[in-house]
Amino acid sequence: AQSVSQHNHHVILSEAASLELGCNYSYGGTVNLFWYVQYPGQHLQLLLKYFSGDPLVKGIKGFEAEFIKSKFSFNLRKPSVQWSDTAEYFCAVNKVSGGGADGLTFGKGTHLIIQP
Amino acid sequence: EPEVTQTPSHQVTQMGQEVILRCVPISNHLYFYWYRQILGQKVEFLVSFYNNEISEKSEIFDDQFSVERPDGSNFTLKIRSTKLEDSAMYFCASSEGVREDTDTQYFGPGTRLTVL
Repeated sequence: AQSVSQHNHHVILSEAASLELGCNYSYGGTVNLFWYVQYPGQHLQLLLKYFSGDPLVKGIKGFEAEFIKSKFSFNLRKPSVQWSDTAEYFCAVNKVSGGGADGLTFGKGTHLIIQP
Repeated sequence: EPEVTQTPSHQVTQMGQEVILRCVPISNHLYFYWYRQILGQKVEFLVSFYNNEISEKSEIFDDQFSVERPDGSNFTLKIRSTKLEDSAMYFCASSEGVREDTDTQYFGPGTRLTVL
């Protein structure tokens, strides 16, 4: 079974700082990779996803993530954070299979607080 | 923008009682999912559903749980005899398909279940 580790559970940054949130997964086969965000009081929303092709993926609100297959990593980055980026961030994977509706395996989440 | 909706937002029940959590997936989506998040823990996959049958389920989804699509719009999760450890936030999600361009899962706001 696959698993996902997010190493930073709480991160506090000042506005305009650069952000990198770590995500590592373990699974022997091919996976799809996702970052979801949950703003206070809102739904889980998709930030970005990787399926194939260019390992550098750009998402909404200036976020990007890089898939490094050799490191089983999919770290989330943003060059300059804003106060409105305060949220919970979840890394998730699902295995590429033969067509079944595979569930996502989530990491524990990183609570990001941006101080003005 | 279409959204997944869930009712109720908060359900309180006595141990041993049956509960039904309701979800309305996005209208053109064909795949439906339930997840749960126990306080302080990861979001965990429970079950996926397609074409009126379970597609995949996790170890958590035992005989106490069942899912149903009783009509063309609702998707329900039933817990037959609730236990204290069923207290959690339950999220419904839906996706249009399972190919890489259609398998993004869109999440509802969740139902907080409290078992006393």
